[in-house]
Amino acid sequence: NAGVTQTPKFRILKIGQSMTLQCTQDMNHNYMYWYRQDPGMGLKLIYYSVGAGITDKGEVPNGYNVSRSTTEDFPLRLELAAPSQTSVYFCASRSGTLSYEQYFGPGTRLTVT
Amino acid sequence: ILNVEQSPQSLHVQEGDSTNFTCSFPSSNFYALHWYRWETAKSPEALFVMTLNGDEKKKGRISATLNTKEGYSYLYIKGSQPEDSATYLCAFLAGTASKLTFGTGTRLQVTL
Repeated sequence: NAGVTQTPKFRILKIGQSMTLQCTQDMNHNYMYWYRQDPGMGLKLIYYSVGAGITDKGEVPNGYNVSRSTTEDFPLRLELAAPSQTSVYFCASRSGTLSYEQYFGPGTRLTVT
Repeated sequence: ILNVEQSPQSLHVQEGDSTNFTCSFPSSNFYALHWYRWETAKSPEALFVMTLNGDEKKKGRISATLNTKEGYSYLYIKGSQPEDSATYLCAFLAGTASKLTFGTGTRLQVTL
């Protein structure tokens, strides 16, 4: 199993550009999440999904959009990139079963200049 | 907004020292408590998922305890090694069970 995969690994964007961060999991997990890593602040939840066709906002959703058309894929869209969106982005997935841990992708390092 | 706090924020120990960290979480509406190990430039990896009051989990030199009634969990590392250097995150899963609330982590540095 590949687990949770993310592309790209690195990206530099100019202010105002848009891009999509891809996330795919092959574990048939219902729950998927997007986090950003802010220095000294740990992980902040951007958006999450409890199943195909269902998404909800996390703590810091402004400037982002998501969709969940399949169980496997959960892309994160950045519209009109801003320097404040410079961060490392992690996608994660989890089974709906209570005792199962969350699996994280390798991360995407995004710089907006 | 759920409050998950970890202490200390950072810790610097010598190789061979034993150490422990604390995670505090809401004592009501408890579902599960997760511990993750997060090495620099990598992604977090699960250490333990704890669901029952009084739970004790162990993996090698690392162990964890859980008290859901008072809302805390301890992570212990026995005989720290340089490879234990990482940030240790705890995360609380509330009754809705849809998303974890992470603490800000305890950053451990183990030197020779």
